[in-house]
Amino acid sequence: DTEVTQTPKHLVMGMTNKKSLKCEQHMGHRAMYWYKQKAKKPPELMFVYSYEKLSINESVPSRFSPECPNSSLLNLHLHALQPEDSALYLCASSQEYYGFLETQYFGPGTRLLVL
Amino acid sequence: DQQVKQNSPSLSVQEGRISILNCDYTNSMFDYFLWYKKYPAEGPTFLISISSIKDKNEDGRFTVFLNKSAKHLSLHIVPSQPGDSAVYFCAASARRIQGAQKLVFGQGTRLTINP
Repeated sequence: DTEVTQTPKHLVMGMTNKKSLKCEQHMGHRAMYWYKQKAKKPPELMFVYSYEKLSINESVPSRFSPECPNSSLLNLHLHALQPEDSALYLCASSQEYYGFLETQYFGPGTRLLVL
Repeated sequence: DQQVKQNSPSLSVQEGRISILNCDYTNSMFDYFLWYKKYPAEGPTFLISISSIKDKNEDGRFTVFLNKSAKHLSLHIVPSQPGDSAVYFCAASARRIQGAQKLVFGQGTRLTINP
């Protein structure tokens, strides 16, 4: 089973709203990732959690706030977003064994529209 | 600096024929290469991978070839089917001693299979 689930599937929010995206995996993976994807572009890495600790923040604006409550769950809290933040937000996970070649498995994504 | 390049933004192939998607990379530290398939508004689906110690990996209709000296890899799909119509992303990563894995994606190639 290589399933990563994401909720909600679609989200529309105003610029003053606060919302959260959720991601879950039950593969025992210890690394989880948030990506942002705009149309006709490759996925763009935002954050990486390794063993529930933030490992990489790709200089993402503070209006995006990640959280990893446990090894299976990853949240992305959104606040005061801009219309240009509208995109497909993807979650991924991988096993996280140093020195090994790892495959990242992606969820279906949340389509976010900021009005 | 684009470390992974897919120079063909689109490719059109007749059903039943072979589809060949190409990818070039510049970073000689990359030692693991992956192909993902993506439908619109969905997350990327892992297709096939290859490590740098191999020059070919096959899985059903999909074969990936790696030419390390040329820093080039290709994905062959044979026979091509209508359901193969999607955007294909090439991605690469480097083995690491510490720190989270980072995948570097190409820009993607849109494959269209014509009946």
